[in-house]
Amino acid sequence: EAGVVQSPRYKIIEKKQPVAFWCNPISGHNTLYWYLQNLGQGPELLIRYENEEAVDDSQLPKDRFSAERLKGVDSTLKIQPAELGDSAVYLCASSLGRSSYEQYFGPGTRLTVT
Amino acid sequence: GDSVTQMEGPVTLSEEAFLTINCTYTATGYPSLFWYVQYPGEGLQLLLKATKADDKGSNKGFEATYRKETTSFHLEKGSVQVSDSAVYFCALREGGGADGLTFGKGTHLIIQP
Repeated sequence: EAGVVQSPRYKIIEKKQPVAFWCNPISGHNTLYWYLQNLGQGPELLIRYENEEAVDDSQLPKDRFSAERLKGVDSTLKIQPAELGDSAVYLCASSLGRSSYEQYFGPGTRLTVT
Repeated sequence: GDSVTQMEGPVTLSEEAFLTINCTYTATGYPSLFWYVQYPGEGLQLLLKATKADDKGSNKGFEATYRKETTSFHLEKGSVQVSDSAVYFCALREGGGADGLTFGKGTHLIIQP
């Protein structure tokens, strides 16, 4: 069974530029999460989707961050414009939803903003 | 709000030593508790979990017991191996099975041969 796929694995951009991250969850997983992990810290939840609906986006900085999950499968997280402080690892995770406690994490996208 | 506090690393041990990584939490309700592990170059993997007080989670020789009275979920292993070198994250989840996780900062474990 394929795991959670994320791309790109690494991205370097200049500040004020836009950037997008893509996530393909495990097949059949209705719930999808985006987490932000700063260096030396644990992941922090940005947004959670149940199918195509964002059910918890309270921690998403909506002035520059946006996310979508069209058709309830793949998801894209966008930052526009990027700031130096956005340099971090962006993790995607998926789960079966309320019937399962386990979240499966992708390898992450490491963003460097210069 | 909810929070998780872990002992700071790095923790350096010799092979076959006994391991304890402390984890305490603050939550308003009755959370589920987890330990995740991140091996070099890989994504986070669930190591073990406990969903109610006095539950013991175990996997790959690691154990942790949900202690409600001390709000703790310490990770232990009787004899560590070099292959256990990784970053370990304690986490909690309030509410139902699909809610997001609240993580600690992680503890980097280094096992020397």
